[in-house]
Formats: sequence, structure tokens, C-alpha cells
Amino acid sequence: GENVEQHPSTLSVQEGDSAVIKCTYSDSASNYFPWYKQELGKRPQLIIDIRSNVGEKKDQRIAVTLNKTAKHFSLHITETQPEDSAVYFCAASERGSTLGRLYFGRGTQLTVWP
Amino acid sequence: DSGVTQTPKHLITATGQRVTLRCSPRSGDLSVYWYQQSLDQGLQFLIQYYNGEERAKGNILERFSAQQFPDLHSELNLSSLELGDSALYFCASSNKQFQNEQFFGPGTRLTVL
Repeated sequence: GENVEQHPSTLSVQEGDSAVIKCTYSDSASNYFPWYKQELGKRPQLIIDIRSNVGEKKDQRIAVTLNKTAKHFSLHITETQPEDSAVYFCAASERGSTLGRLYFGRGTQLTVWP
Repeated sequence: DSGVTQTPKHLITATGQRVTLRCSPRSGDLSVYWYQQSLDQGLQFLIQYYNGEERAKGNILERFSAQQFPDLHSELNLSSLELGDSALYFCASSNKQFQNEQFFGPGTRLTVL
């Protein structure tokens, strides 16, 4: 099955700086890559996703890039704010198959210091 | 609020017992996924149902079972509970069989003493 690796496991940045979280995947059939944000004790919340026919997608301060050849994708958060502090999970899935399951990375604890 | 509901929010029980977790998907969503989140294992996929039928199985123990009912709500049954089953259990739903955007419920925190 798919194996998703996520780095770093913890990330501390100053408010206003950028944060980058990187993930790699193993299965070349994977073609859907969502990112979830999870605040303490809350549900994972879908914040952005990208499909394999796109190299980059942006939504206000967050962006995701995908390199299918190298099998890695990254989350970029610009102008970070304290409310961005949370655990971020990347995931991979084979879209269009009956197996819609998501394979998650282990998560990155992002802390934004004011 | 994702529109996915889960009950109960918290559950405390003893080893050897059996519990049932309930999930109601977003209106119109036919697919339900169950995930287990523990500190040492991260978010692990357990099982998926689509319109009442089992579609995929992940790392689900034989002591665990699930079903999806005609009204599309789903139940996850955990039996012969062990201390290691203590975790957050999430369900997620999506609106098509082949669509991967999954929206998570608030979760059920299970504590086995």
C-alpha cells in the first residue's frame, strides 16, 4: 500500500514568517493529495487539496505544490499568524478508484510565536 | 462545522467491554470512512462504506466491525476492548464513491480503563 512520510514533525516560526511542510509518497498511482489542519481536541479540517494534473494551487495565504516525478508535495503558509498553530497532516489517495481511503502522514505540529 | 455528526463525544469503559460509536454523514453523502487516531499510530484508516456496502478495509481488528444503515448513518462496534484501543475515533464522509474530499466529524474519544 501507499506510504506517506511527512517532515518536519515540529516546526516553530515567528508570526509573519513562512512555514513549509513537506511530504513524500511511494505509490505512483496516487493522484489526490489533501492537507488537513487539526487543532487540539478537534476534528481534522480540510484546508486545501491538489490533484495530479496540477502542479500548484493557492488559496489566500496557503499554497500546495506537487512534483509527481519526485513523488513529493509541500504545504506553504505565508504571513503566519498565531491562529495557524495546529497539527497539519498531509495525505495521499488514488482518486477515481473504489479505494477512496486516505493514507496520512504522521503530522507536523506548527507553532507560531507572536 | 463539517455537517458530520458523531455520538457520543466521550466514552469511558472497562477492558473486555463492548461499545458502539455512531456517525451521521453530511446530507447527501453516501460514503462513510472510519479512522482511528492514537498518539503512537497517527490517523489510521479502518473501514469504508458506500451506500450500505463495505468498500474497503484497512487496519481494522477482527474485534471491530461496522455497518452502514439504509438511512446512511454508520456504526462502529468495538468488542473485547483492550487498553490499547483507547483513541480518538473519527468518521468522515464524502458525496461520491470515487470522490476523495472527506469531511470529518468531531470524533469520539474512547478511554478503556
